[in-house]
Amino acid sequence: AQKITQTQPGMFVQEKEAVTLDCTYDTSDPSYGLFWYKQPSSGEMIFLIYQGSYDQQNATEGRYSLNFQKARKSANLVISASQLGDSAMYFCAMTKLIWGAGTKLIIKP
Amino acid sequence: EAGVVQSPRYKIIEKKQPVAFWCNPISGHNTLYWYRQNLGQGPELLIRYENEEAVDDSQLPKDRFSAERLKGVDSTLKIQPAELGDSAVYLCASSKRGGADTQYFGPGTRLTVL
Repeated sequence: AQKITQTQPGMFVQEKEAVTLDCTYDTSDPSYGLFWYKQPSSGEMIFLIYQGSYDQQNATEGRYSLNFQKARKSANLVISASQLGDSAMYFCAMTKLIWGAGTKLIIKP
Repeated sequence: EAGVVQSPRYKIIEKKQPVAFWCNPISGHNTLYWYRQNLGQGPELLIRYENEEAVDDSQLPKDRFSAERLKGVDSTLKIQPAELGDSAVYLCASSKRGGADTQYFGPGTRLTVL
């Protein structure tokens, strides 16, 4: 069965520090993709980054990068130089429309 | 380019009443999704449309939930009758195609059933 696990229910990080949000997944599909979304307190889900299972390089989008380790079935999101506006819920999801429970990230000034 | 539009943003009803949510996807997006998100949890897919065809509705509680996507554009999700456990945020998303295409979300409808 397809499954996404986010083991960190909540995290506190000092502003300007880098932060890593964990995501592990389980799938038997040979081809798949992994997404990360941000959901601020306003409620809207915002797309951050995508990684395809056959992509040769780890995805990057500005301050966001994805540490993809296929053998370990992990797709961790790395946010460099965190900002106060990064405080939000972060969700990892697969192309089979399976979502994790999320991690609540709080950036401290 | 306009984003995904949903209405209403908030709805409060008493149990056993009917309720309907409306979604207008991004122009040109063929795939439309309805999700339910309970407090503190990730979204749960209710139904996915490819154009006007429902291609994945395995998680839709069909005894009380129904959905339609007329002409492959706007969509309506209905609950009749609503139960206390239906209180949640109902999210609509769209993508150009399914699969690996990025989903773009609307602001959601927060439903409270009293």
